[in-house]
Amino acid sequence: GNSVTQMEGPVTLSEEAFLTINCTYTATGYPSLFWYVQYPGEGLQLLLKATKADDKGSNKGFEATYRKETTSFHLEKGSVQVSDSAVYFCALASGGSYIPTFGRGTSLIVHP
Amino acid sequence: DTGVSQDPRHKITKRGQNVTFRCDPISEHNRLYWYRQTLGQGPEFLTYFQNEAQLEKSRLLSNRFSAERPKGSFSTLEIQRTEQGDSAMYLCASRPSSTDTQYFGPGTRLTVL
Repeated sequence: GNSVTQMEGPVTLSEEAFLTINCTYTATGYPSLFWYVQYPGEGLQLLLKATKADDKGSNKGFEATYRKETTSFHLEKGSVQVSDSAVYFCALASGGSYIPTFGRGTSLIVHP
Repeated sequence: DTGVSQDPRHKITKRGQNVTFRCDPISEHNRLYWYRQTLGQGPEFLTYFQNEAQLEKSRLLSNRFSAERPKGSFSTLEIQRTEQGDSAMYLCASRPSSTDTQYFGPGTRLTVL
């Protein structure tokens, strides 16, 4: 079956530091890959996605590249802000129903 | 552009009571999903509708849980005879058939005492 493994948090950084949150997956076929973000007290929001190998998703300074050879979709940002503090979920979806499988989430805390 | 809405946002109930949650998807979205999220975990799939048809149900959806989408628009999730283990955030999401991207509502937080 499908599964997603994310690095455990919390990840604690100072403002303007470089961010990497690792995500690897196991799936049959060719899934779409997603990063969702959940700010405190809010629902999940799509941050970025990639639908095929070597695609790069990007949004709000965040990037992730679909690496089929390493089954990875690591999230990166060059310079984090305090407002980026949230929980980040890696997910994959495949098949006609596109029911996503989520990782456990990684909490990011950015200090001024 | 109104997003996915859920009602209520919070529900506190006593063990053994029945509860019902409502989800209003984005109007042109024909696919609707329910998830459960517990603290420190990602959302877990419960059930999925295409229009009014319930196409998939997770093994997590015990016989105390039932979901409907009678007119292919809003959906309800009912939990009968609630147990403390049902305490969680219940999330609804919708999407159009043209994309694999789901749009999530803010969730209903259920606390069973």
